[in-house]
Amino acid sequence: DADVTQTPRNRITKTGKRIMLECSQTKGHDRMYWYRQDPGLGLRLIYYSFDVKDINKGEISDGYSVSRQAQAKFSLSLESAIPNQTALYFCATSEPGTGDRYTFGSGTRLTVV
Amino acid sequence: EDKVVQSPLSLVVHEGDTVTLNCSYEVTNFRSLLWYKQEKKAPTFLFMLTSSGIEKKSGRLSSILDKKELSSILNITATQTGDSAIYLCAGETGGGADGLTFGKGTHLIIQP
Repeated sequence: DADVTQTPRNRITKTGKRIMLECSQTKGHDRMYWYRQDPGLGLRLIYYSFDVKDINKGEISDGYSVSRQAQAKFSLSLESAIPNQTALYFCATSEPGTGDRYTFGSGTRLTVV
Repeated sequence: EDKVVQSPLSLVVHEGDTVTLNCSYEVTNFRSLLWYKQEKKAPTFLFMLTSSGIEKKSGRLSSILDKKELSSILNITATQTGDSAIYLCAGETGGGADGLTFGKGTHLIIQP
């Protein structure tokens, strides 16, 4: 099983709908992140969480909300999806230390029509 | 605002060539510079650089950080078609904030 699992893998939704992207991890890491990737723009940070009671806005949090239900679960919600939220979304975890500290999920490709 | 700039944004070379990818960064409370390779979905880790002037190598790939110039390069020698990918550079913030600031990536295409 993957260390960081994102569901769904792909989703098409209509403008105005509420949608939730889910992320679960078996790494035991306290820190979790949500990024979005648009073609030619790299990855941009939406929200991050240091632990269950800690939520922080990233670079592009408008239009999104998150919930850290447990150490292992971090979900991203779009309350009212709009077409420019069409993107590839990545969940990631990290731990203190050096080297390969960040673990990325396989991504959720979201299309808002 | 933290910023990471990569160049070139795209590059097409022939198999066997050597390529150099560039990354410059302005990151608050800089902790480290990371390089990732992205082929289909999730980025895969290549290097993490924290000290200036110390080259890290992995096979045909190598990378070095210049903290004075706030930059890093990623070299790939004897390129192969399997090296075709998007290469992402990211600056890591320390202190109270957290997370990675990514550049836009370099789309590298290796032609046979």
